[in-house]
Amino acid sequence: AQTVTQSQPEMSVQEAETVTLSCTYDTSENNYYLFWYKQPPSRQMILVIRQEAYKQQNATENRFSVNFQKAAKSFSLKISDSQLGDTAMYFCACRHAGNMLTFGGGTRLMVKP
Amino acid sequence: EADIYQTPRYLVIGTGKKITLECSQTMGHDKMYWYQQDPGMELHLIHYSYGVNSTEKGDLSSESTVSRIRTEHFPLTLESARPSHTSQYLCASSDDGGTYEQYFGPGTRLTVT
Repeated sequence: AQTVTQSQPEMSVQEAETVTLSCTYDTSENNYYLFWYKQPPSRQMILVIRQEAYKQQNATENRFSVNFQKAAKSFSLKISDSQLGDTAMYFCACRHAGNMLTFGGGTRLMVKP
Repeated sequence: EADIYQTPRYLVIGTGKKITLECSQTMGHDKMYWYQQDPGMELHLIHYSYGVNSTEKGDLSSESTVSRIRTEHFPLTLESARPSHTSQYLCASSDDGGTYEQYFGPGTRLTVT
């Protein structure tokens, strides 16, 4: 069985600062994908960034980047130059066979002006 | 913005009523999913479908049922609503064509009184 753990239930950051959200996972599969999803208050869940496990290079998407440590089964999300619109719940997820996702418990991020 | 729709967005209903939550997607995805999410909490998979006439139960036991008669439509039904069914229900779809991203609908927030 897969597990995904987010150890930070809540975090806050000042606007324009950098924040890192932690995620660890456990899987028995060799080829898997990892995701960070964002769920703004009362809005749709959207994909932030994706990492293929077979790629050593860390994924980046504009202000969002990951630190993927495969041996440690760690997949943290770094948000640079935080903006008020980044305020949301962030969920880490691991894809396994059949395109199923296992989600972590989420981290509530508050960006303060 | 993902082309996946859910209706109603909010529903308050009395105990014992039968309800159907609608989910439709226009992306032609074969795989569709239903998740249950309590406010600010993780997502739990309750049903999924690999395609037309395919339905499977997810990790979290649910008294709801689903059907998949058309590719684009994946409704969820509760025959007799109870207060314990109060939650948010998220529908998602995905393709297996490389990205494996799941696209989420806006959700239905259900309250059973």
